[in-house]
Amino acid sequence: AQSVTQLGSHVSVSEGALVLLRCNYSSSVPPYLFWYVQYPNQGLQLLLKYTTGATLVKGINGFEAEFKKSETSFHLTKPSAHMSDAAEYFCALKANAGGTSYGKLTFGQGTILTVHP
Amino acid sequence: GAVVSQHPSRVICKSGTSVKIECRSLDFQATTMFWYRQFPKQSLMLMATSNEGSKATYEQGVEKDKFLINHASLTLSTLTVTSAHPEDSSFYICSAVVGLEVATQYFGPGTRLTVL
Repeated sequence: AQSVTQLGSHVSVSEGALVLLRCNYSSSVPPYLFWYVQYPNQGLQLLLKYTTGATLVKGINGFEAEFKKSETSFHLTKPSAHMSDAAEYFCALKANAGGTSYGKLTFGQGTILTVHP
Repeated sequence: GAVVSQHPSRVICKSGTSVKIECRSLDFQATTMFWYRQFPKQSLMLMATSNEGSKATYEQGVEKDKFLINHASLTLSTLTVTSAHPEDSSFYICSAVVGLEVATQYFGPGTRLTVL
């Protein structure tokens, strides 16, 4: 079984401040990990992903995440928040079981990011 | 690249009617598409996995006779909500896998269904 836990359903930061959204996972096999962003009444947009290789992954819009196996974490960060970053963010996991190149995603509960002027 | 569209973006229907939602991969062929349902302020719940040319695989608890899925071509999957009721009102999102790109799903913009 696999699961994803996002700590904090709501995170509020000031514009220009560091953004840190936490994601911890549980998986019996090596995971592929993703961060998606969802704006109101829209689908999900891929921010970044970790599959194999370098554990620090850079994504779009200045976001990055680091895969830490020892901590079973994949926290999302951005050095300086913009007003346009206000959205809901989802961490997701897919088990890297080999063979098939696609499969079910397990999503975290989501974190709503609010950015204050 | 990797654009997924959904139509309609928003639909309102009367209770008892059926509604069809289309999911298209615009610039790639998708052998596998996924259908999700999202309730307000909640995460995405996978409903079914749709494979081109074969029957969809439904998640536990999802009524296959109520949520009919057809994946007739490599660029189109449809979800039909049959005999819709107010409790079926939700945000429905599809996703597709891009060719050989490992693991990544690309999502459509979603369809807001409201059943009166």
